[in-house]
Amino acid sequence: GAGVSQSPSNKVTEKGKDVELRCDPISGHTALYWYRQSLGQGLEFLIYFQGNSAPDKSGLPSDRFSAERTGGSVSTLTIQRTQQEDSAVYLCASSRTTETQYFGPGTRLLVL
Amino acid sequence: AQSVTQLDSQVPVFEEAPVELRCNYSSSVSVYLFWYVQYPNQGLQLLLKYLSGSTLVKGINGFEAEFNKSQTSFHLRKPSVHISDTAEYFCAVSDYRGTYKYIFGTGTRLKVLA
Repeated sequence: GAGVSQSPSNKVTEKGKDVELRCDPISGHTALYWYRQSLGQGLEFLIYFQGNSAPDKSGLPSDRFSAERTGGSVSTLTIQRTQQEDSAVYLCASSRTTETQYFGPGTRLLVL
Repeated sequence: AQSVTQLDSQVPVFEEAPVELRCNYSSSVSVYLFWYVQYPNQGLQLLLKYLSGSTLVKGINGFEAEFNKSQTSFHLRKPSVHISDTAEYFCAVSDYRGTYKYIFGTGTRLKVLA
């Protein structure tokens, strides 16, 4: 079946602009995660959605970062007023159960 | 708080030789353990996982790992590597409280030499 998909695959933006990153989880997966992979910080958890429960936002690095998940499926990660330190690969993962996460190919964000 | 340590940032090994990638974790509660592989410009692919039961776990591509609770380790092994195993390998831990989010190690870059 189809895996986790993310768009765009690459995004180049100017400092100060807003960006939106999209994640389509595997059908039927109720849990959705966002992670960030950067050279300096490795792989970091950002946010978690599970069904209709309130999301766990404990990993978001600043209030410029937000995410939503509509209809329990597609999720959008928004970064406002981007900074150069936001440059990274943003990975989305989904899971049916509470254990194994399946990752998308990532969105490579470059802030100039 | 949980943490994961991958002591080796890079591991060069000759083709057909055995390899072990080390992973140690720290947690005050029981955890699930995972190994993922990342090929260049791709996402993470699950190699294997330990949830419970047998401490020796077999995964895809001939990899296996052994959970050692007393040493808080989950080392990844392969008896004979291939050029195509060249990639970055990440160890991750999650606990079954709340979010099940992963805490990742810093990764080990495996380079298989001809």
